[in-house]
Amino acid sequence: AQSVTQPDIHITVSEGASLELRCNYSYGATPYLFWYVQSPGQGLQLLLKYFSGDTLVQGIKGFEAEFKRSQSSFNLRKPSVHWSDAAEYFCAVSNSGGYQKVTFGTGTKLQVIP
Amino acid sequence: EPEVTQTPSHQVTQMGQEVILRCVPISNHLYFYWYRQILGQKVEFLVSFYNNEISEKSEIFDDQFSVERPDGSNFTLKIRSTKLEDSAMYFCASSGDRGRDGYTFGSGTRLTVV
Repeated sequence: AQSVTQPDIHITVSEGASLELRCNYSYGATPYLFWYVQSPGQGLQLLLKYFSGDTLVQGIKGFEAEFKRSQSSFNLRKPSVHWSDAAEYFCAVSNSGGYQKVTFGTGTKLQVIP
Repeated sequence: EPEVTQTPSHQVTQMGQEVILRCVPISNHLYFYWYRQILGQKVEFLVSFYNNEISEKSEIFDDQFSVERPDGSNFTLKIRSTKLEDSAMYFCASSGDRGRDGYTFGSGTRLTVV
């Protein structure tokens, strides 16, 4: 069964600092990988996705993520964090067949301090 | 940008009552999903729906739950006899290509069972 681990429950960074959110997945074949962001009381917005090809993917809002098969990781990065990036971030994995049930990680809550 | 619309945004119901949560997926999408998020916990898959039938469901999706696409635009989740533990945020999502492009999520319905 597929699974996702986000080891950091809560991260605090200063505005303008770089950010890396960790994600490890477990899946037998090549997975489809996603990062979603959720602001308080809001729905889930897709930041970026990986299916195949270039292992460094660019997303919206200046985010990027790198797929590393050898480490089963898909970490999310941003070079300079803005106060508006404060939210909860979810890594998710989907199988590459069937009807694409997505399994979410437990999320990482990002706090941005001035 | 196309949106998935969910109504109501917040519903309070008494234990044992039936509730129907409504969703209008993106018009050209063919795959529909319900997820839930209990407060403070991760987003969990409930059910996927394609071609007017359930394609996959989780163990959470027991006989108390049902889904329907009553017309060409709405997608509903019914809980027949609500329990306190059904209190959660329920997200509808749709996708155009089995989720390959990532889902588009609605902003959710917060269900409170009292």
